[in-house]
Amino acid sequence: NAGVTQTPKFQVLKTGQSMTLQCAQDMNHEYMSWYRQDPGMGLRLIHYSVGAGITDQGEVPNGYNVSRSTTEDFPLRLLSAAPSQTSVYFCASSYSSVFSGNTIYFGEGSWLTVV
Amino acid sequence: AQSVAQPEDQVNVAEGNPLTVKCTYSVSGNPYLFWYVQYPNRGLQFLLKYITGDNLVKGSYGFEAEFNKSQTSFHLKKPSALVSDSALYFCAVRDNDYKLSFGAGTTVTVRA
Repeated sequence: NAGVTQTPKFQVLKTGQSMTLQCAQDMNHEYMSWYRQDPGMGLRLIHYSVGAGITDQGEVPNGYNVSRSTTEDFPLRLLSAAPSQTSVYFCASSYSSVFSGNTIYFGEGSWLTVV
Repeated sequence: AQSVAQPEDQVNVAEGNPLTVKCTYSVSGNPYLFWYVQYPNRGLQFLLKYITGDNLVKGSYGFEAEFNKSQTSFHLKKPSALVSDSALYFCAVRDNDYKLSFGAGTTVTVRA
């Protein structure tokens, strides 16, 4: 009963480095998304996907790429890390359906520091 | 565009007293409203949601929330707070699209 699994939990990057945050879910959810959490700003949507092969931008997509080759996985790539990307990142998933009140489940978070 | 406001950054209550965390929303379509709780260094845990039906929704850990359409509010309540309820609480709204919009969060501190 893993739910939504994120790795790594903690990461320190140097400015300009690239990295990938991994996210996997075992609930057969169609919808997956990435949020970043910053103090006083709540959670902001970076990218989301409504199914394999389909991705779209959220509120703050610049500097991030995503792909959805399988239903289970939704990696988030930082192309060239900047200090402004220091944040806590959360992956989330839910069932997609016409009934959009489906609960979204969150991973435990990835703490990223860019120096 | 949808949005959520949590007007209080912090709420402080004594253990055993009622706890209320306020939330107002703005959405063009049908509002699907959620409350999540976050403990230090952890992910968000689902507490409760309003989809349709009764305006009073009961959730996990003794929490409940009241949906008020005329005031566009969805306040979270607990009749008797516990020290273990100290955490960061987020209100969120999801409209007919798939996106979930969060408030800035309210830090609840329950003192013994």
